[in-house]
Amino acid sequence: DAGVIQSPRHEVTEMGQEVTLRCKPISGHDYLFWYRQTMMRGLELLIYFNNNVPIDDSGMPEDRFSAKMPNASFSTLKIQPSEPRDSAVYFCASSPELAGIRDTQYFGPGTRLTVL
Amino acid sequence: AQTVTQSQPEMSVQEAETVTLSCTYDTSENNYYLFWYKQPPSRQMILVIRQEAYKQQNATENRFSVNFQKAAKSFSLKISDSQLGDTAMYFCAFGGGSQGNLIFGKGTKLSVKP
Repeated sequence: DAGVIQSPRHEVTEMGQEVTLRCKPISGHDYLFWYRQTMMRGLELLIYFNNNVPIDDSGMPEDRFSAKMPNASFSTLKIQPSEPRDSAVYFCASSPELAGIRDTQYFGPGTRLTVL
Repeated sequence: AQTVTQSQPEMSVQEAETVTLSCTYDTSENNYYLFWYKQPPSRQMILVIRQEAYKQQNATENRFSVNFQKAAKSFSLKISDSQLGDTAMYFCAFGGGSQGNLIFGKGTKLSVKP
């Protein structure tokens, strides 16, 4: 398996622009997670899905952030409008149903977002 | 709420020697999972080792082993015969309770010196 795939790997944009991050989970995994990592706050869970349905979005910082999972093999995290404080590495992770949401999560390579 | 504490922000070890990274956690759950993830400079999060709380036997994966003390809520990682490629951030994580996500510690930056 190719593992969790994220695109783009790097994104540089200007304040106010819309940013869309993409994720393809491991085939057969029923849980998908979006994390944000910064030096100041470490790893933060933003939102997670089970069978394409958002379960917990309490970590989404503001209304500027939105996430969708239109099917089992694709998810997006959108920031509109972007701000410099959104600069971070964004990770997508997936987990199989059998293991449960408390078990091993497999991470993608991350997207490094820089908002100027 | 569950918490995970890594009390060593940075550590260093000589190549070929052994190093132990500490992790403590707080939970009222009885059944849960514990993990160590490695994040090298490439920033990829890689699972190193996993422990199921109901198993008394400590998990091992080649040069990596854990010392799981359930009563003390301690979960340390031992790296034997350290290699330069072990240089990375190491995160301890807890999976359990009512929250669906993993709870991560702040990480320990490990440097392996030649």
